[in-house]
Amino acid sequence: GNSVTQMEGPVTLSEEAFLTINCTYTATGYPSLFWYVQYPGEGLQLLLKATKADDKGSNKGFEATYRKETTSFHLEKGSVQVSDSAVYFCALIINTGGFKTIFGAGTRLFVKA
Amino acid sequence: GAVVSQHPSRVICKSGTSVKIECRSLDFQATTMFWYRQFPKQSLMLMATSNEGSKATYEQGVEKDKFLINHASLTLSTLTVTSAHPEDSSFYICSATARDYSSYEQYFGPGTRLTVT
Repeated sequence: GNSVTQMEGPVTLSEEAFLTINCTYTATGYPSLFWYVQYPGEGLQLLLKATKADDKGSNKGFEATYRKETTSFHLEKGSVQVSDSAVYFCALIINTGGFKTIFGAGTRLFVKA
Repeated sequence: GAVVSQHPSRVICKSGTSVKIECRSLDFQATTMFWYRQFPKQSLMLMATSNEGSKATYEQGVEKDKFLINHASLTLSTLTVTSAHPEDSSFYICSATARDYSSYEQYFGPGTRLTVT
């Protein structure tokens, strides 16, 4: 079946630390991959996306590369800020006669000053 | 950018009553809207997919008679939780896709927190 697996949180980092949140997927066909961010009490916001193998999505200092050979889409940022504290969701979209988004469980990130 | 609003943002209702949640696309036409449910510290669970002018498609295990979805126009979808019970308390989030869905991008509303007492 189709699924997304993320590293469990919470992840706690100090400001300016390097961030990696692992994400792997299982899918039939060729899904598009996304990272969404959810700040407390809010809905999801698209952070970045990649629609085909070897594509790199980037936004606000975050990056993720679509790795077909390892079925991964790990999220990275070189220097986190307190304002990056949020929940991050990895997701894929598949077309099964209609588009459907499958989300990972989410990883909560705390950044300390 | 594309904006999706939800109303109300929070609602408290008594057990046995019905609650309607609105989801609107403010600056684009949404051919498809999705309704999700999110439990505390958990991921989003897709409840149903609705296309303008047609019946919603519900995910397995979601009671369509309890969660009524109407997508009457290209900018509005509503979710009605009928005869709500405390176990229906949750965070409900809608998302919408624009008419040009080629980028597979969804725009999410800010969510509605429902508390059933």
